[in-house]
Formats: sequence, structure tokens, C-alpha cells
Amino acid sequence: KQEVTQIPAALSVPEGENLVLNCSFTDSAIYNLQWFRQDPGKGLTSLLLIQSSQREQTSGRLNASLDKSSGRSTLYIAASQPGDSATYLCAVKSNQAGTALIFGKGTTLSVSS
Amino acid sequence: DAGVTQSPTHLIKTRGQQVTLRCSPKSGHDTVSWYQQALGQGPQFIFQYYEEEERQRGNFPDRFSGHQFPNYSSELNVNALLLGDSALYLCASSLGGRSYFGPGTRLTVT
Repeated sequence: KQEVTQIPAALSVPEGENLVLNCSFTDSAIYNLQWFRQDPGKGLTSLLLIQSSQREQTSGRLNASLDKSSGRSTLYIAASQPGDSATYLCAVKSNQAGTALIFGKGTTLSVSS
Repeated sequence: DAGVTQSPTHLIKTRGQQVTLRCSPKSGHDTVSWYQQALGQGPQFIFQYYEEEERQRGNFPDRFSGHQFPNYSSELNVNALLLGDSALYLCASSLGGRSYFGPGTRLTVT
């Protein structure tokens, strides 16, 4: 059974810092991995999608890496801003055809100005 | 292009009642999944619909049922509501392995 863990559960940093969020999964047989952002009480916004054959994806100040063999992914946020404050969720999809996303509990990030 | 939409935004129900939540997928998406997110937790998969049939189901009781219509929109029905059903219910549509989520419906059971 696939399990996803995110560390740390919460993180507070001053504006301008670079930071790394961690995600680990127990079964390396994944199809893809997605990072989402969730603002309080809101839905999920997809940030980055990494296919199992890829090592990393970048979008603006965000960079996500994937190491399938070790069951790990990281989300790197450069030059953090107060607007980055949110909960970041990692989710894995185990195969292509209609399978569920398995989520971690998320990391709640607070960036102070 | 409209994203995934859900209705209603908020809902308050009493224990034992029944509720129906609705979801319209992103244009062109034929697969709809439903998730339940309790406070402080990651979303938990309820079930997925494809071509109007339930394709996969998570570990939820039969009180949770769904439907997908020919236009790919979907409904989630919950019968005999319990206090523990209070949560944010998220709908996601997908195409090519990437999932897009709606804003959610906040259900409160009193």
C-alpha cells in the first residue's frame, strides 16, 4: 500500500529565503508525482507535475525533483515571498489508467515580511 | 476555459440527512474523481468515474455513492450523514495523468 509522507509539517521562514519541502513515498512504482498548493479552506492548485521518467520540473521560482529509486521528491522555492504562504501537498499516481492520487498531509509554509 | 467547478460552496446538514454535491469537469476531461479532506489532513480518495461508470473506489462505506452524466459532470451523494462526514469535498478532473481540482464544497454536519 502506497504511503506518502511530507516533512516538515510546518515551516516558518523570513522573506527572501530559499527553502526545500520534502516528500517521500513507499512504493517506487509510480506513474507521476504532483505538487499542489492549497490556501486555507480552498481547493488545490497544481504547481508541478513530474512524470516517472523525469528527474525534475521547473516553473518560475519553483523546482521539483524526483528520485524514484529512493522514493523521494523535493520542492525547492527560491526567494520566498509572503504570498507563498500556504499548504503544499505532494501526491503520487501509481499507474496511468484511472488510479487515485495518494496524498501526503502537507507542509504548511509561513513566509514573514 | 472554465476550470473545475463545484456546487454548492458551503452546506450545513443534520445527522442522518442526505446530501448531494455536484461537479463539472474541465472542458474536454472525461474522468472525475472525488476526495474528502478532513481538517489538517491530505485529501482521501473516495471514487472515480469514467464513461459514466465507477472505475475505482477508495476505502469509504456504501453511504457514499456517485454518478457521472453523459456530459461528464458528476454528483457525490452521501446518505445517513455522520458528524465525521464534516469535511471539504474536492472534485478533480483529469486528462493525460494530470489532475485539476475544483474549489471544493465545505460540508458541516451538526
